[in-house]
Amino acid sequence: AQTVTQSQPEMSVQEAETVTLSCTYDTSESDYYLFWYKQPPSRQMILVIRQEAYKQQNATENRFSVNFQKAAKSFSLKISDSQLGDAAMYFCAYSPEEETSGSRLTFGEGTQLTVNP
Amino acid sequence: DAGVIQSPRHEVTEMGQEVTLRCKPISGHDYLFWYRQTMMRGLELLIYFNNNVPIDDSGMPEDRFSAKMPNASFSTLKIQPSEPRDSAVYFCASSLRQSLNTGELFFGEGSRLTVL
Repeated sequence: AQTVTQSQPEMSVQEAETVTLSCTYDTSESDYYLFWYKQPPSRQMILVIRQEAYKQQNATENRFSVNFQKAAKSFSLKISDSQLGDAAMYFCAYSPEEETSGSRLTFGEGTQLTVNP
Repeated sequence: DAGVIQSPRHEVTEMGQEVTLRCKPISGHDYLFWYRQTMMRGLELLIYFNNNVPIDDSGMPEDRFSAKMPNASFSTLKIQPSEPRDSAVYFCASSLRQSLNTGELFFGEGSRLTVL
């Protein structure tokens, strides 16, 4: 069974600084997707960024980027120029690359990010 | 476009009472999911539907839980009778097949249930 582990229950960062959230996973699959979802105080989870395992290039979405290390099964999220609106719970998630893979999402425990003004 | 709409946003009830949570998926989405979020267990998939048909209900904790999707625009999750350990935030999510194939779900804001 796949597992996703986020070892940092809480992180904090100063506004405009950079922060990195860690995630490791375990799988025997070679093809899969990895995600970072954001859950702000409104509770609505929003997809931040997605990485396909077959791609060597790290995904980037504006201020958000990932460091994907397939051999190490590591998938960290870097937030640059942190903003107050980035404060949220961040979940790392895994799904196998198959039809309807989203029906097989496995989520980590979450990391609560605080952004200090 | 409106997102996934859930109601109620908060529910406080007493043990033994019936609880019904409601979800309206994004129009046109053919997959609907119910998740439960607790501090102890994190996010757990309870059940999901495709074209209103339940596909996988292996995550439903016990017979006290039931979910229905009578049409493409409405789903309910019912707990009868409710117990304090059912206290959690229940999320509904929907997706299109092409989004689901790349793992993307669209979540509602959740219903926070407290059972006293």
